[in-house]
Amino acid sequence: GAGVSQSPSNKVTEKGKDVELRCDPISGHTALYWYRQSLGQGLEFLIYFQGNSAPDKSGLPSDRFSAERTGGSVSTLTIQRTQQEDSAVYLCASSRGWGSYEQYFGPGTRLTVT
Amino acid sequence: AQSVSQHNHHVILSEAASLELGCNYSYGGTVNLFWYVQYPGQHLQLLLKYFSGDPLVKGIKGFEAEFIKSKFSFNLRKPSVQWSDTAEYFCAVNAANAGNMLTFGGGTRLMVKP
Repeated sequence: GAGVSQSPSNKVTEKGKDVELRCDPISGHTALYWYRQSLGQGLEFLIYFQGNSAPDKSGLPSDRFSAERTGGSVSTLTIQRTQQEDSAVYLCASSRGWGSYEQYFGPGTRLTVT
Repeated sequence: AQSVSQHNHHVILSEAASLELGCNYSYGGTVNLFWYVQYPGQHLQLLLKYFSGDPLVKGIKGFEAEFIKSKFSFNLRKPSVQWSDTAEYFCAVNAANAGNMLTFGGGTRLMVKP
């Protein structure tokens, strides 16, 4: 079956602009995660959605970052007023849900803020 | 909060050499443990996982890892590496009662010389 997909694969934006990154999880997976992979910080957790529960936002680095998940499927990560330190690869993962911790990762979106 | 340490940042081996990559975590409770691999130009893939039971787990492509609770370690091993094992390897931990997110180590870049 199809894996986790993300779009766009690459995004170049100017400092101060807003960006939206999209994730389509594996069909039937109720849990969805966003991580960030950068040279200085490695792989960091950002936010986690599980079904209809309130998301775990404990990893979001600032209030410029937000995410939503519509209809329990597709998710959008929004970064407002982008800064150069936001440059990274943003990874999305999904899993079958609580009690099943194996996460399947998408190819990522490489964000470059100039 | 839990943390994960991978002591080897870069490893260079010749084909047929044995491999052991170290992973230590800091969390006193029940953990789920993972090794992920990222081949050049590809997305993160699960190599193996430990949830409970036999502390020696076998994964894909001849990899195995041993959970030693007393040492807070989950080292990855392969008896004989191949050129195709060239990749970056990430150890990850999920604390069983602290949400569903993964905490990753900094990664180890493995280069296997033909």
